Amino acid sequence: NAGVTQTPKFQVLKTGQSMTLQCAQDMNHNSMYWYRQDPGMGLRLIYYSASEGTTDKGEVPNGYNVSRLNKREFSLRLESAAPSQTSVYFCASSSSGNTDTQYFGPGTRLTVL
Amino acid sequence: LAKTTQPISMDSYEGQEVNITCSHNNIATNDYITWYQQFPSQGPRFIIQGYKTKVTNEVASLFIPADRKSSTLSLPRVSLSDTAVYYCLVGSSPLYGQNFVFGPGTRLSVLP
Repeated sequence: NAGVTQTPKFQVLKTGQSMTLQCAQDMNHNSMYWYRQDPGMGLRLIYYSASEGTTDKGEVPNGYNVSRLNKREFSLRLESAAPSQTSVYFCASSSSGNTDTQYFGPGTRLTVL
Repeated sequence: LAKTTQPISMDSYEGQEVNITCSHNNIATNDYITWYQQFPSQGPRFIIQGYKTKVTNEVASLFIPADRKSSTLSLPRVSLSDTAVYYCLVGSSPLYGQNFVFGPGTRLSVLP
C-alpha cells in the first residue's frame, strides 16, 4: 500500500516549456487534489476532482490543466511554464466521507527558469 | 468557509507539553476541526480531527470548548522530531476537502 505517489520528484523547466505532473493513489479514494506551496506559505488548492470524471477549479487554477484519468490517477499539466509557477506541488486524495481526511503525496519540486 | 487564526510560531523545549490554539469565530454547525502536521520537504500529515469536547489519539489531544469558536491542539512531551508546521482547518462535508484552505500555520520549534 503505497498511498499517494507523485512523479517526478524534481523538475527544472525553461520558461514556455510544458510538462505533466503525475499522481496516483491506491486507497480507492473518490476525491483527488492538486496544491501548490510557495516558500514559507501554506498550501493553495489549484484543482480538485470530487469523483472520477469530474474536475473543478480551486483557488489558483490559472496556468494549469488537470485530467482525472481514472479513479487512481490525477495529472496536472503546465502548458507554458512561467517563473511564477516555481513551487512545490502536492497531490492529495480523500475518501469523501463525512470527515474527508486528506492524504498527501511527497511532492514535486518544480523550478522554472 | 470558516476563517482560522493561529500563532505564526512557537518555541518549546524537549519534554514539555505544547498547546497550539486556533480561533475560528464563524465556525458553522456542521463544521469539523482538523489539524495537520508538515515536516520540511514533505506533504502535510493528518494528526487529529474533532467536532466538540475532547478527542485523543496516540499522537495528540484536541480540546474544543462548548462554543466551538476555538480549539487547542495539545502535544504531550514534545521531542525534537515534533519540530514542524501545524495547520488548523475548519470545514464540513460533503465538500469538506474541496473547501480546504491552508493558512500559514504555526511553526513549532522544539529546542534541546
